[in-house]
Amino acid sequence: DTEVTQTPKHLVMGMTNKKSLKCEQHMGHRAMYWYKQKAKKPPELMFVYSYEKLSINESVPSRFSPECPNSSLLNLHLHALQPEDSALYLCASSFATGTASNYGYTFGSGTRLTVV
Amino acid sequence: QKEVEQNSGPLSVPEGAIASLNCTYSDRGSQSFFWYRQYSGKSPELIMSIYSNGDKEDGRFTAQLNKASQYVSLLIRDSQPSDSATYLCAVSGDSGYALNFGKGTSLLVTP
Repeated sequence: DTEVTQTPKHLVMGMTNKKSLKCEQHMGHRAMYWYKQKAKKPPELMFVYSYEKLSINESVPSRFSPECPNSSLLNLHLHALQPEDSALYLCASSFATGTASNYGYTFGSGTRLTVV
Repeated sequence: QKEVEQNSGPLSVPEGAIASLNCTYSDRGSQSFFWYRQYSGKSPELIMSIYSNGDKEDGRFTAQLNKASQYVSLLIRDSQPSDSATYLCAVSGDSGYALNFGKGTSLLVTP
């Protein structure tokens, strides 16, 4: 299995809703990442997990809450989002941090989030 | 701030021609370099990686790296309309924690 699976593919939520994005990989990768991508912009790093521990939080607002229950799963919990948070949310994995430089990432297909 | 710069384009080439995409980076400690292809509305797909100075070829794709000039490029030979996409240059630093992405170059291959 060489895929990163993200669900749901599309999500529309109101500003008072709570929702979660899910990401799963079975490649034995020990580093997992959340990126946010707005239209015609590059992916922006949000969070890095290494061996199920949060390694990097790129000053992301607290309305985004990551969780890594085990080495295969990564969640992003969403609460009280703003319309400007509408974007493509990408999950990625690599063999390990420190070797992202050697192997690059495998990206999931993304979740297209719309906040209304 | 670790910068990765790309010309946003669009770069338009006729079918069958060579497309040349360029990228410069600011972090001299960068060790690894990647090219991702992203179709509209889709996620990035890794197409090439390069780690040492010189050329690396894979099918119609050639990546070129010059660390002294802090420059990496991607050549696409015999360009096809299906190559029309945004190409993202990604660079890792010596920490290796995460990749820094350029803004991407939009490529349009016209029949």
